Amino acid sequence: GAVVSQHPSWVICKSGTSVKIECRSLDFQATTMFWYRQFPKQSLMLMATSNEGSKATYEQGVEKDKFLINHASLTLSTLTVTSAHPEDSSFYICSALPSLAGARSEQYFGPGTRLTVT
Amino acid sequence: AQKITQTQPGMFVQEKEAVTLDCTYDTSDPSYGLFWYKQPSSGEMIFLIYQGSYDQQNATEGRYSLNFQKARKSANLVISASQLGDSAMYFCAMREGWTGGFKTIFGAGTRLFVKA
Repeated sequence: GAVVSQHPSWVICKSGTSVKIECRSLDFQATTMFWYRQFPKQSLMLMATSNEGSKATYEQGVEKDKFLINHASLTLSTLTVTSAHPEDSSFYICSALPSLAGARSEQYFGPGTRLTVT
Repeated sequence: AQKITQTQPGMFVQEKEAVTLDCTYDTSDPSYGLFWYKQPSSGEMIFLIYQGSYDQQNATEGRYSLNFQKARKSANLVISASQLGDSAMYFCAMREGWTGGFKTIFGAGTRLFVKA
């Protein structure tokens, strides 16, 4: 099956620093990738939709200047948490939708990145 | 706007018995897909089953079946012959078509506990 990787799998950073998380589709091209955040024992909350070559679409309430998303190629999207604070500590999951996919298509999830801000 | 509701925060089932996890949804898009995912404690999202809005028959995948009642806007997951390894968090999700930008939103989830 299709594989999506995320790097790093976990990261600890100090408050005020920035952290970049990479999401790669390893064996397929993905025009669209999604970034989710999941707090402990809660559901996945969609943060933004990332489209290759264009600006990301952020969900209401998500600060676009704080969570910078870049989708520079059909296999790579990055999420940068700028000036991280302890409340940004969470599990970040990316998901990739194969190009030419539709409502019926399965999307593939990365294994997630656990961010802890101290 | 699309909406997914899972009203069962936790469910218990005896090993080898069947269990139904509830999911209701709301959308104005006639074209949509409904998904169920399993998330064990490791955090990975495991795809279980898919139902399309135009599918006439209920989807089945091994021990998983989806009880799709379109008029009621419900898409309940049925797990037959529960196993200890089925203990996990289960999420119902929906993706709309073009009008929804293909984004998928998730319900609050149901934690399933399988008892030996």
